[in-house]
Amino acid sequence: GENVEQHPSTLSVQEGDSAVIKCTYSDSASNYFPWYKQELGKRPQLIIDIRSNVGEKKDQRIAVTLNKTAKHFSLHITETQPEDSAVYFCAASQDDMRFGAGTRLTVKP
Amino acid sequence: NAGVTQTPKFQVLKTGQSMTLQCAQDMNHEYMSWYRQDPGMGLRLIHYSVGAGITDQGEVPNGYNVSRSTTEDFPLRLLSAAPSQTSVYFCASSWGQGRAPQHFGDGTRLSIL
Repeated sequence: GENVEQHPSTLSVQEGDSAVIKCTYSDSASNYFPWYKQELGKRPQLIIDIRSNVGEKKDQRIAVTLNKTAKHFSLHITETQPEDSAVYFCAASQDDMRFGAGTRLTVKP
Repeated sequence: NAGVTQTPKFQVLKTGQSMTLQCAQDMNHEYMSWYRQDPGMGLRLIHYSVGAGITDQGEVPNGYNVSRSTTEDFPLRLLSAAPSQTSVYFCASSWGQGRAPQHFGDGTRLSIL
């Protein structure tokens, strides 16, 4: 089955800096790659996604890139704000969904 | 439009007891799924359903049963609770998108003693 690895496990940045979280997947048949944000004690929320026929997608300060050949995809957050502090999960899907272990992002004011 | 509703929010069980976690959605989503979340392990798929009357196993199905008699409801049953099933459980739904969950419930925090 699919295996998703996520790095780093923790990330601390200064407010205004950029943050990058990287994920790799094992199943070349995976064709959909969502990202989720989970604040402490809350439910996960879908924040952005990308399909395998697209190399990059952007939504305001958030962007995701996909390299199908290398089987990795990344989340980029620019101009970080304290409210971006949360745990971020990547996932990969073809028939079922496999999640990475998560990255705890802390944005220091 | 309540989204995805899970009950109960908290539950403590003794080893060997059985219980059902309830999940309902009012968005007419075909795809529903159950995940468990353990520290440092992300979310793991237990069971999922692509529509009423259809269910399938995910990554960690042992010890759990599901049914999907209606589009709205997708209960998760613990057959004989074990301490290893102590976790936070999330129900989710989506209308498609490669079966990726789009809407999660608030979660059920379950402790097995």
